[in-house]
Amino acid sequence: AQSVTQLDSHVSVSEGTPVLLRCNYSSSYSPSLFWYVQHPNKGLQLLLKYTSAATLVKGINGFEAEFKKSETSFHLTKPSAHMSDAAEYFCVVRDSNYQLIWGAGTKLIIKP
Amino acid sequence: DAGVIQSPRHEVTEMGQEVTLRCKPISGHNSLFWYRQTMMRGLELLIYFNNNVPIDDSGMPEDRFSAKMPNASFSTLKIQPSEPRDSAVYFCASSLDLYNEQFFGPGTRLTVL
Repeated sequence: AQSVTQLDSHVSVSEGTPVLLRCNYSSSYSPSLFWYVQHPNKGLQLLLKYTSAATLVKGINGFEAEFKKSETSFHLTKPSAHMSDAAEYFCVVRDSNYQLIWGAGTKLIIKP
Repeated sequence: DAGVIQSPRHEVTEMGQEVTLRCKPISGHNSLFWYRQTMMRGLELLIYFNNNVPIDDSGMPEDRFSAKMPNASFSTLKIQPSEPRDSAVYFCASSLDLYNEQFFGPGTRLTVL
């Protein structure tokens, strides 16, 4: 069965410094992976997706993620954090029944 | 496109009352999903439809919950009778099909007193 683990419940970085949000997955086949973002009191927005094309995926707002099969990881990064990036981020894997399996989420806190 | 539309955005009701949440998916999308989000349990998939047909409702918590999709542009999630533990944010999402990414509506914040 597919599963996804977000390794940090909270990540705090200073504005202008790099962001790393970690995600590991387990899947018995080549998975489809997604990152979604949820700003406070808002809905969920797709940041980026991996569907077995290029392993480095670029998303919106300067975010990108790299699919590493050997490490079963799909970490989300951004070179320089902005205050508007403060939100909760969800790593998601699509299972063999096409359902989305959601990680528990990582709250990103940006310090001025 | 206006995106996924949900109504109402906020609903406050008393225990025992019937609650109906509404969703209009993105035009042309064939799959529709209902989720519930709480602090305790995070995001939970309740039910999803493909081409207006319910595919999997195993996430629906109890018989008090029911969902319908009478046509490609409208779905409802009904709770009857409602209970305080049903208080949550309910999201509707749609996608082109089961293989593609889901687009979420703004959610309905339900409070059952």
